[in-house]
Amino acid sequence: DGGITQSPKYLFRKEGQNVTLSCEQNLNHDAMYWYRQDPGQGLRLIYYSQIVNDFQKGDIAEGYSVSREKKESFPLTVTSAQKNPTAFYLCASSMISGNTEAFFGQGTRLTVV
Amino acid sequence: QKEVEQNSGPLSVPEGAIASLNCTYSDRGSQSFFWYRQYSGKSPELIMFIYSNGDKEDGRFTAQLNKASQYVSLLIRDSQPSDSATYLCAVNSKVEGAQKLVFGQGTRLTINP
Repeated sequence: DGGITQSPKYLFRKEGQNVTLSCEQNLNHDAMYWYRQDPGQGLRLIYYSQIVNDFQKGDIAEGYSVSREKKESFPLTVTSAQKNPTAFYLCASSMISGNTEAFFGQGTRLTVV
Repeated sequence: QKEVEQNSGPLSVPEGAIASLNCTYSDRGSQSFFWYRQYSGKSPELIMFIYSNGDKEDGRFTAQLNKASQYVSLLIRDSQPSDSATYLCAVNSKVEGAQKLVFGQGTRLTINP
């Protein structure tokens, strides 16, 4: 089945540690996105990528990093520089960046203690 | 001014009535508009998309777009308790040649039996 897979679903880390969230899609989509969602809030854009080996900062990129070495994969690293990393992280993909519907993974709930 | 604005609610509607959800956006160049539904703890799922001015109907859902007023809305007819969720408006936006998908903060809708 085609889809977008995020792993793990739940992640716990100690403060000061970097952590990488996985996002893989087999939809042959060019565009991929990372969003952060805090309780009762909407989705805020962290990074997005229109094509392989290219990505742009979103509205809240500080403390995060990404790579896009393969079309199928867009991992997000939450670094120790991110001051408040506990949140629900959502990865999405779309055929063309912005202009077509985005499909979401199941999300990763990150808790930093 | 936020790029995409929604009334966060909560919006309470009796079962069987029409629920009306509204969204305004700031980028006059936006061409694609999406409505997503998100249940608590889950990832967003697409309900409707609309690209042209006017109305677009799909079952109990109608999306309305007015580009001159930079306004998009979602009507839910014959509201059911299962429609209780947060509804997210998303709009494409072009920044320095890169297209991104921007979300509003969401409107929490409750359908009362």
